Amino acid sequence: DGGITQSPKYLFRKEGQNVTLSCEQNLNHDAMYWYRQDPGQGLRLIYYSQIVNDFQKGDIAEGYSVSREKKESFPLTVTSAQKNPTAFYLCASSPGLIYNEQFFGPGTRLTVL
Amino acid sequence: SQELEQSPQSLIVQEGKNLTINCTSSKTLYGLYWYKQKYGEGLIFLMMLQKGGEEKSHEKITAKLDEKKQQSSLHITASQPSHAGIYLCGADRGSQGNLIFGKGTKLSVKP
Repeated sequence: DGGITQSPKYLFRKEGQNVTLSCEQNLNHDAMYWYRQDPGQGLRLIYYSQIVNDFQKGDIAEGYSVSREKKESFPLTVTSAQKNPTAFYLCASSPGLIYNEQFFGPGTRLTVL
Repeated sequence: SQELEQSPQSLIVQEGKNLTINCTSSKTLYGLYWYKQKYGEGLIFLMMLQKGGEEKSHEKITAKLDEKKQQSSLHITASQPSHAGIYLCGADRGSQGNLIFGKGTKLSVKP
């Protein structure tokens, strides 16, 4: 089946450690996105990528980094510079950037202890 | 910058009742998306609206975009427990090519 996978579902890390969240899609979509969701805050855009080897900062990129070496993969690294990393992280993809439905993965809940 | 305001923030209805959720934008909407989310899960796409006055329906859910393209509503007829969840509206940011989201409306349906 086509879709987006995120792993792991739950992730625990100690404060000060970098952690990488996985996002893979087999929908042959060009665009991919990372969002962060906090209670009562809705979704906020971290990074997005339109094509391989290219990505742009979203609204809250500080403390995060991404790469897009393959069309189907868009991993997100939460660095120790991110002051409040505990959150629910959602990855999405779409055929293009404009007027395109975004398909979402199941999310990864990161807890930093 | 564009903002999306959703109302109400939360809603509790008796099974079988109708309900409406609203999404209001500070700027003209070029593409408006409705999603549903179960707690702790990803978002499920419901509908997309682009044209002023457009209306779309799927099963018991109807979404409308007003003529001025600054407000959308999501109407559920004869609600069921399966409709419970968080409903989010998202809007295209135009040339930036990504979505901005409202904070969501949490819907609970009492059997």
